[in-house]
Amino acid sequence: AQSVTQLDSQVPVFEEAPVELRCNYSSSVSVYLFWYVQYPNQGLQLLLKYLSGSTLVKGINGFEAEFNKSQTSFHLRKPSVHISDTAEYFCAVSDFTGGGNKLTFGTGTQLKVEL
Amino acid sequence: DVKVTQSSRYLVKRTGEKVFLECVQDMDHENMFWYRQDPGLGLRLIYFSYDVKMKEKGDIPEGYSVSREKKERFSLILESASTNQTSMYLCASGPLGHLINYGYTFGSGTRLTVV
Repeated sequence: AQSVTQLDSQVPVFEEAPVELRCNYSSSVSVYLFWYVQYPNQGLQLLLKYLSGSTLVKGINGFEAEFNKSQTSFHLRKPSVHISDTAEYFCAVSDFTGGGNKLTFGTGTQLKVEL
Repeated sequence: DVKVTQSSRYLVKRTGEKVFLECVQDMDHENMFWYRQDPGLGLRLIYFSYDVKMKEKGDIPEGYSVSREKKERFSLILESASTNQTSMYLCASGPLGHLINYGYTFGSGTRLTVV
């Protein structure tokens, strides 16, 4: 079974500072990796995804992530955060099983941007 | 845009009640999912379905059942609600096969409180 580990449950950062949210996965097969964002009182929104090709993936709102197969990591980064980036961020891995696919999520990282 | 609509935003039910959570999607997606979200535990898959009348157990199916009589609707059923089922419930949908790797679309969630 595939699994995802997000080591940081909370990450406080000042506005305009850079941030990195860490994600490690375990899998015995090729993986597809995702980052989702959840703003307060909302559902999850796809931020970016890695399917194949370039290991540096760019997403919405200035976020990017780098797939590192040797370290089994898919860390999310942003060079300069804004107060509106305050949200919970979930890393997920795609797993094909039975007749369909399912996503396995990490436990989430709460990003709190302070002035 | 794909819309995934969850019928209730907030629900309060009594212990022992039978509870129905409804989810409807409007993009003809084959795959539909029910997740439960709890602080510190992330999203955990309860059940998913990749076709009408088809269902597969996720990671935490105990105490839940599902129904998919029509392609667009996926219902989560708590046969006899208990206080440990107080949680945020998220529905998601996505296309079949490799297209699922373009991510799922989530509803806004139903916050269920069992008293």
